[in-house]
Amino acid sequence: GAVVSQHPSRVICKSGTSVKIECRSLDFQATTMFWYRQFPKQSLMLMATSNEGSKATYEQGVEKDKFLINHASLTLSTLTVTSAHPEDSSFYICSARDTSGGTDTQYFGPGTRLTVL
Amino acid sequence: KNEVEQSPQNLTAQEGEFITINCSYSVGISALHWLQQHPGGGIVSLFMLSSGKKKHGRLIATINIQEKHSSLHITASHPRDSAVYICAARLYGNKLVFGAGTILRVKS
Repeated sequence: GAVVSQHPSRVICKSGTSVKIECRSLDFQATTMFWYRQFPKQSLMLMATSNEGSKATYEQGVEKDKFLINHASLTLSTLTVTSAHPEDSSFYICSARDTSGGTDTQYFGPGTRLTVL
Repeated sequence: KNEVEQSPQNLTAQEGEFITINCSYSVGISALHWLQQHPGGGIVSLFMLSSGKKKHGRLIATINIQEKHSSLHITASHPRDSAVYICAARLYGNKLVFGAGTILRVKS
């Protein structure tokens, strides 16, 4: 079945540094990918919609200059947390939309746990 | 009031029991997803449905569009079914709105 991978699975960084998270669709092309954030004991919250070849669409309250999204190819989207601070520590999950073969569904990546010291 | 409401929030069952998790939504949707999240955090998409009923192994998902309600059933539950189950309503425009999740624990 369709697989979405994320890298890294876990990252610990110092406050003020930038962290890049990759999301790849492994066996289908995804014109649209989504980035979510999940805080402990809470549900997923959509941060932004990443569209291949164009600018990402950010949800209200999400700083586009802090969370940089690049969807440079049909199989790769990256999320860069710039100047990370402890409050950015969270579980980041991407999903990719598969519209091939008459289907239209989303597959989720395994997530990246970010800890900012 | 959240656009997507799940019940119960927590559920403990004995191995072998039939389990039902409910999801109600108040918005127009193009589809509804049922997701499973294990303690490590990874999410597995169980079902996407826009009408009727789907079955996969011991899992069954139903949706009633008129009543804006969906259910996820697990037959012959097993401890490995222990996870958080999340329903997510897919709005027109493809944005997903998530329920708070149901924490299921199946005891042997």
